[in-house]
Amino acid sequence: QKEVEQNSGPLSVPEGAIASLNCTYSDRGSQSFFWYRQYSGKSPELIMFIYSNGDKEDGRFTAQLNKASQYVSLLIRDSQPSDSATYLCAVKGYSSASKIIFGSGTRLSIRP
Amino acid sequence: NAGVMQNPRHLVRRRGQEARLRCSPMKGHSHVYWYRQLPEEGLKFMVYLQKENIIDESGMPKERFSAEFPKEGPSILRIQQVVRGDSAAYFCASSPRSSLAGEQETQYFGPGTRLLVL
Repeated sequence: QKEVEQNSGPLSVPEGAIASLNCTYSDRGSQSFFWYRQYSGKSPELIMFIYSNGDKEDGRFTAQLNKASQYVSLLIRDSQPSDSATYLCAVKGYSSASKIIFGSGTRLSIRP
Repeated sequence: NAGVMQNPRHLVRRRGQEARLRCSPMKGHSHVYWYRQLPEEGLKFMVYLQKENIIDESGMPKERFSAEFPKEGPSILRIQQVVRGDSAAYFCASSPRSSLAGEQETQYFGPGTRLLVL
């Protein structure tokens, strides 16, 4: 079992709809969770981080965390063509020396 | 406040040569991470360093690869005797410090170095 799993996609969503990206992780002791966006040929850029159960909203983005189910998701409301990218889920363990483990990413395509 | 800087942005080497990749973290950041990314694949952790210390090198191949983060100057990822399979994008990220939770541990990425081995 991979430490951080994501559906590779591509996930195709019509413009203006809600895009839902999912991620599961295996280390129950994980404490911090991150979503990064990566455009083709570019470096990852941070969208959000979350470390408490529940929802965290930032503009059109909402991160949802359920530690009991070891599940974290990212919702993108009012999807725009510029949201087309690969979205990377990343998870950090409890220890201060823990490294961040990245999922392989989900490719999102917003169709006009 | 300049972001994470990496150079060179592109590097071409022939098999058997050495590749040196440099990373200057964001100002105020003392933690550096190196990742490798193959085309159409995710980020693979290689090594985590603080100034003058290697904290975690569990993702680093045992041979030919080494990393350092000296007291002064950038972090260096060194690949000796490169082979074609080393061709990839190498990303460096930095964070202010590694705490238990929160923004302090968020990693910010540099633009990457694209290594091509002929």
